[in-house]
Amino acid sequence: GNSVTQMEGPVTLSEEAFLTINCTYTATGYPSLFWYVQYPGEGLQLLLKATKADDKGSNKGFEATYRKETTSFHLEKGSVQVSDSAVYFCALSRNYGQNFVFGPGTRLSVLP
Amino acid sequence: DTAVSQTPKYLVTQMGNDKSIKCEQNLGHDTMYWYKQDSKKFLKIMFSYNNKELIINETVPNRFSPKSPDKAHLNLHINSLELGDSAVYFCASRVLGQGDTGELFFGEGSRLTVL
Repeated sequence: GNSVTQMEGPVTLSEEAFLTINCTYTATGYPSLFWYVQYPGEGLQLLLKATKADDKGSNKGFEATYRKETTSFHLEKGSVQVSDSAVYFCALSRNYGQNFVFGPGTRLSVLP
Repeated sequence: DTAVSQTPKYLVTQMGNDKSIKCEQNLGHDTMYWYKQDSKKFLKIMFSYNNKELIINETVPNRFSPKSPDKAHLNLHINSLELGDSAVYFCASRVLGQGDTGELFFGEGSRLTVL
């Protein structure tokens, strides 16, 4: 079946540090890949997405590249801020969108 | 103008009671979902409706019954509430016609606490 694996958290970084959150997936065919962010007390919101191999999604300084050869979609940011503290979810969409599968989430805490 | 709205945001109730959570989307989407998020933030899909038709029905106790009166609304009714039902329930919607590329739009969640 389709599944998403993420690095376990929590991840704690100092402000301006480099961030990587690893995400790998298992799926048949060519899924679309997404990163969602959940700030404390809020719902999930789309951070970025990529719909085919080698696509790079980017938003708010975050980037992720769809790597089919390694079935990965790692999230990166060059310099994190305290306001980036949140839970980050990697997700995939397959089977014409009926099946939208989320990873377990990675909590990020950024300290001033 | 809220795109996906859920009511109530907070719900505290006793074991054994029956409760409902309502969801409405004004995005013109054709597909709606209910997800359950546990205390460790893990998201589990429960149900999905496409144009009022049930298309995803995961392994969920039959105490949970979704109802979609039209494609803009998806309600969740829970009978005989148990302690383990305590969680945050998220409604989401998307356009299934966009295939696998359409993003999910989430509501703000409904936190259910069963005492």
